[in-house]
Amino acid sequence: DSGVTQTPKHLITATGQRVTLRCSPRSGDLSVYWYQQSLDQGLQFLIQYYNGEERAKGNILERFSAQQFPDLHSELNLSSLELGDSALYFCASSAGVGEQFFGPGTRLTVL
Amino acid sequence: TQLLEQSPQFLSIQEGENLTVYCNSSSVFSSLQWYRQEPGEGPVLLVTVVTGGEVKKLKRLTFQFGDARKDSSLHITAAQPGDTGLYLCAGVSDYKLSFGAGTTVTVRA
Repeated sequence: DSGVTQTPKHLITATGQRVTLRCSPRSGDLSVYWYQQSLDQGLQFLIQYYNGEERAKGNILERFSAQQFPDLHSELNLSSLELGDSALYFCASSAGVGEQFFGPGTRLTVL
Repeated sequence: TQLLEQSPQFLSIQEGENLTVYCNSSSVFSSLQWYRQEPGEGPVLLVTVVTGGEVKKLKRLTFQFGDARKDSSLHITAAQPGDTGLYLCAGVSDYKLSFGAGTTVTVRA
């Protein structure tokens, strides 16, 4: 158990819909990272937040957005969903630069 | 295109054999990490290598960072079925991790 929790574990929705994925980091970790893992693209970095502020951006689509709240939990919002958005979405947290602890992931299926 | 290229993509060996996974890039990284991921779970960090030429050992696993800090290898001695999983290398640069596509290792009993 990494100490990072993600909800929901599974999500099935339709194209065009909007979903919100939630992540609670390890106690004390200020940084939260979001990743997308698909069979053809591997694990892709989406975005990082540090203590509520956006720190780094990766291959995140404009249809996707994230935020980190004062209690340090984070949410990833995915809108206008397409079939190709079906993937595993991981959240990770860290105390600083270094080891990232990954949550169990949310499996999103867009039908 | 992946910033980090891992090879081979798949590896299936018999218990007791040795294996090596390679991670190559044209970019220089401040450090490189190796993760192992099991089905249905998130990646778990195995090791971080920081210095060019560094070699780290973790029981039967040996990790090496290239002198130029662009490539790395993971060697497993006397592999066991419990070593089965997806092995991912990740380069650290500007606070971001760039992952390779991974090597799926299957160790048959």
